[in-house]
Amino acid sequence: QKEVEQNSGPLSVPEGAIASLNCTYSDRVSQSFFWYRQYSGKSPELIMSIYSNGDKEDGRFTAQLNKASQYVSLLIRDSQPSDSATYLCAVSLSTSYGKLTFGQGTILTVHP
Amino acid sequence: GAVVSQHPSWVICKSGTSVKIECRSLDFQATTMFWYRQFPKQSLMLMATSNEGSKATYEQGVEKDKFLINHASLTLSTLTVTSAHPEDSSFYICSAPFSGGLYEQYFGPGTRLTVT
Repeated sequence: QKEVEQNSGPLSVPEGAIASLNCTYSDRVSQSFFWYRQYSGKSPELIMSIYSNGDKEDGRFTAQLNKASQYVSLLIRDSQPSDSATYLCAVSLSTSYGKLTFGQGTILTVHP
Repeated sequence: GAVVSQHPSWVICKSGTSVKIECRSLDFQATTMFWYRQFPKQSLMLMATSNEGSKATYEQGVEKDKFLINHASLTLSTLTVTSAHPEDSSFYICSAPFSGGLYEQYFGPGTRLTVT
């Protein structure tokens, strides 16, 4: 079983729709959870970080964490073509300061 | 947000030569930095943890004698790929945890290495 798994893509949504990205993780001692956006040929850019169960909103982005289910998600509201990218879920263990384990990524395409 | 730079942004070298990649934290100090590698259409894989003033910690399967890491100051870590081969061609990315955030990592822009 992979340590961090993301929903298989690619995911295609129309402009203005909600894009939903999901991620599960296997290690229960995981403490910190991140969503990164990566454009082709570029390095990852941090979008959201979440550490506690529940929702965290930042603009058009909402991260949701459920530690009991070992599940973290990212919702992108009012999706724009500029949101088209690969989204990476990353998890950090409490015992490994800063070390990130990444999911395989989900390619999102927002079409006009 | 915090800024991490890398140099060079891309490099082409011949098989058997060595290449050094620099990673700098520009507006904060980083006692720890991380080096990742990303092959085409794959996700990032952690190679090693760079620790200022001490030896790097390598992930399982990463050859420490091939990928030399030096973290000589609080703002600079270097990765040297020794005796590079075509299979080392990849996108190398460093990151540093920003002290203002809990475990948040900021990534450098990456270095694309092509070994011919």
